[in-house]
Amino acid sequence: GAGVSQSPRYKVAKRGQDVALRCDPISGHVSLFWYQQALGQGPEFLTYFQNEAQLDKSGLPSDRFFAERPEGSVSTLKIQRTQQEDSAVYLCASSLDRSLGDEQFFGPGTRLTVL
Amino acid sequence: GNSVTQMEGPVTLSEEAFLTINCTYTATGYPSLFWYVQYPGEGLQLLLKATKADDKGSNKGFEATYRKETTSFHLEKGSVQVSDSAVYFCALSRVGSQGNLIFGKGTKLSVKP
Repeated sequence: GAGVSQSPRYKVAKRGQDVALRCDPISGHVSLFWYQQALGQGPEFLTYFQNEAQLDKSGLPSDRFFAERPEGSVSTLKIQRTQQEDSAVYLCASSLDRSLGDEQFFGPGTRLTVL
Repeated sequence: GNSVTQMEGPVTLSEEAFLTINCTYTATGYPSLFWYVQYPGEGLQLLLKATKADDKGSNKGFEATYRKETTSFHLEKGSVQVSDSAVYFCALSRVGSQGNLIFGKGTKLSVKP
């Protein structure tokens, strides 16, 4: 496809369940970012990959959050033992390289609701 | 630390009105500055950007000028259309990072015919 895709688009989980969110970046894009967007707020940075290397995970809110990009393309964000405060839209973005002015292309997001 | 503050919405305007959405930032060094837009039911899209002081970004009739002296990047459009109704986010890419963006809270714009 031409853009960043994410799946599922919507996920409802019971508190304590594990979830996995998938991101397919634009083909050839080196950089991949995950953001968390709470209702009525701007997106907040979670983690960054350059190819398969996770270079920055400073935004992950707890050790229940884990991200991987094993082959440098598709990425998965996993949340273990979900809590209600994890409810948010999770956005994935990719860019061609890591220069500061480089445009990030965003996917449609996965809306996670934890009951 | 690095942060972005933008005017709170919602903002409601009539078609052809002038639009200003204020954005100020706090950052060390000279970040790149961006405006992203989220139309109803769609993902975030880059609207315009500026990478150094006094640069003006422009797209689709929108403009914003990187003002180092006032640490601002206000978004303007001379004549808004109903199709401009969306949520607008100001963001910066901080110096020394890998390019991750720091966003403001967003401003919802509604344009009435």
